[in-house]
Amino acid sequence: DGGITQSPKYLFRKEGQNVTLSCEQNLNHDAMYWYRQDPGQGLRLIYYSQIVNDFQKGDIAEGYSVSREKKESFPLTVTSAQKNPTAFYLCASSIDGRQGRSYEQYFGPGTRLTVT
Amino acid sequence: AQSVAQPEDQVNVAEGNPLTVKCTYSVSGNPYLFWYVQYPNRGLQFLLKYITGDNLVKGSYGFEAEFNKSQTSFHLKKPSALVSDSALYFCAVRDIGNTGFQKLVFGTGTRLLVSP
Repeated sequence: DGGITQSPKYLFRKEGQNVTLSCEQNLNHDAMYWYRQDPGQGLRLIYYSQIVNDFQKGDIAEGYSVSREKKESFPLTVTSAQKNPTAFYLCASSIDGRQGRSYEQYFGPGTRLTVT
Repeated sequence: AQSVAQPEDQVNVAEGNPLTVKCTYSVSGNPYLFWYVQYPNRGLQFLLKYITGDNLVKGSYGFEAEFNKSQTSFHLKKPSALVSDSALYFCAVRDIGNTGFQKLVFGTGTRLLVSP
């Protein structure tokens, strides 16, 4: 899982509560990403950030929010507006996300969120 | 939009036998293709990538992948499977978003089970 840490590994919340998932990287990567993984559906992109103070919605951004105040940190907040928040959440980073550069993404160990 | 398909949900192989995990792609332009592996409750680990050049790409842990343009395929292979290779394997393709930012589009994953 390289230099990307996610905490906590397991998280339990009651329905209606917002929860923030942590993602920190020490790889000096510019680009960071958040994915959601559900059984049989692969990975779906929630948000991504090319550089500090910039981020863009991915394919399933509704009910989520992010911030990128520091290069090494990209926290994800799962809000009460997210209809089905229970999932495995993965954070990733790459050297540079700009077109013309095809750098692989490196993933953190993931956070399993359960909302009841 | 770019996409990849993994036609098999699960592949079973005996230890010592060769293994193949299939992936086909649909892209406009030249494809940038990736393979990742995921062990239970862990993040994804990068195995290999094809950008350009030789059609046979060698990666980590003895894995290799063959790029076939005419068949639009990028199958993952290993000459002799190990029980420890049992995991979930994802194929991915680079996609360029509206902002020129590159992201990965993942297949739904193939579970590989290697029996002793």
